[in-house]
Amino acid sequence: NAGVTQTPKFQVLKTGQSMTLQCAQDMNHEYMSWYRQDPGMGLRLIHYSVGAGITDQGEVPNGYNVSRSTTEDFPLRLLSAAPSQTSVYFCASSSGQRAKNIQYFGAGTRLSVL
Amino acid sequence: DAKTTQPPSMDCAEGRAANLPCNHSTISGNEYVYWYRQIHSQGPQYIIHGLKNNETNEMASLIITEDRKSSTLILPHATLRDTAVYYCIVTGSARQLTFGSGTQLTVLP
Repeated sequence: NAGVTQTPKFQVLKTGQSMTLQCAQDMNHEYMSWYRQDPGMGLRLIHYSVGAGITDQGEVPNGYNVSRSTTEDFPLRLLSAAPSQTSVYFCASSSGQRAKNIQYFGAGTRLSVL
Repeated sequence: DAKTTQPPSMDCAEGRAANLPCNHSTISGNEYVYWYRQIHSQGPQYIIHGLKNNETNEMASLIITEDRKSSTLILPHATLRDTAVYYCIVTGSARQLTFGSGTQLTVLP
């Protein structure tokens, strides 16, 4: 019962560095998404994918890239980290059925950009 | 997605029912009401959802008014572990959730 697994749990970067946040799910869900949560605020959608090979932008996509080569994995890449990207990042997956749209979230990756 | 309005914070005594309100006066006919909660620093957790009828599961009950313009999440016997931010989300999309600020529920001993 792994569900949605995110790695790493914590990361500190210097401005300009790049890195990839990993997300994997073992529920065979079609839909996966990335959110960021800044202190005291709700989650904001960065990118999402409705299936392998298909991705689209959410509310705050700038500075982030995604790809979906398999159903299980949906990595989020920070191209050139900036202090404004300091946040907690959550990955989620769901089956995509409208009447049963339960999204399962990972434990989060806490990122600090210095 | 319809806009939702929730009180920023509420307190509840342990063992008592917690009733969390949500207004969604612009809800469309095909939009569902979802409730999620986020316990400090953890990923959000699904609680319950509904379209028109009242719903109940092992965690909570959801009461939706007949005109669907508001709803109430009921935690029947709140415990200290129910202290969390509760998000009411109204959406017709199967895939995207728009999180507002939610209600910070504090269960007091």
